Amino acid sequence: ILNVEQSPQSLHVQEGDSTNFTCSFPSSNFYALHWYRWETAKSPEALFVMTLNGDEKKKGRISATLNTKEGYSYLYIKGSQPEDSATYLCALSITDSWGKFQFGAGTQVVVTP
Amino acid sequence: EAQVTQNPRYLITVTGKKLTVTCSQNMNHEYMSWYRQDPGLGLRQIYYSMNVEVTDKGDVPEGYKVSRKEKRNFPLILESPSPNQTSLYFCASKEFANSGNTIYFGEGSWLTVV
Repeated sequence: ILNVEQSPQSLHVQEGDSTNFTCSFPSSNFYALHWYRWETAKSPEALFVMTLNGDEKKKGRISATLNTKEGYSYLYIKGSQPEDSATYLCALSITDSWGKFQFGAGTQVVVTP
Repeated sequence: EAQVTQNPRYLITVTGKKLTVTCSQNMNHEYMSWYRQDPGLGLRQIYYSMNVEVTDKGDVPEGYKVSRKEKRNFPLILESPSPNQTSLYFCASKEFANSGNTIYFGEGSWLTVV
């Protein structure tokens, strides 16, 4: 089992503030890192897939960076809004086990007005 | 519309009574997978399938079976459910497992075993 860790487990943010959180993973045999946004009672929704060291992706106020050499990815939310409240999941796939995806336990974000 | 459809969405069953959770995708994806989600543990992979007639174990396969007879369908079978299989289950599909493409998830199936 791959060790994918997300921190913090949860965080509370005031509306308008920016925040970021981390996904850490073993750097060997890295293939791709996925970020998902998951709201209760809904399906996880894809945000980003990143494969290259130094990748930076952006979708609206949400962006992510990837460092495969040191084994971490950051997700940033700029100017948080209540609709950003969700659990953010990262998932790792590696080169010697194509079909396996290891998810972290998630970071629960609560944005209060 | 691209979809992964799971049924049933909600089920309460009794210990030992065989059940099947169906999963169907309309995107002609080669890869499909099942996950369970438990509080504090994130999504854990049960089984996955790289293509028709090709299945493999994930991290938590005990107590589950799968089959992939057709490309679009990937049912999850609980031969003799036990209370520790009470969980939220997600089916997912993806175009080619060995690419950086997006994983598409179904809406989830809440299963309670009493």
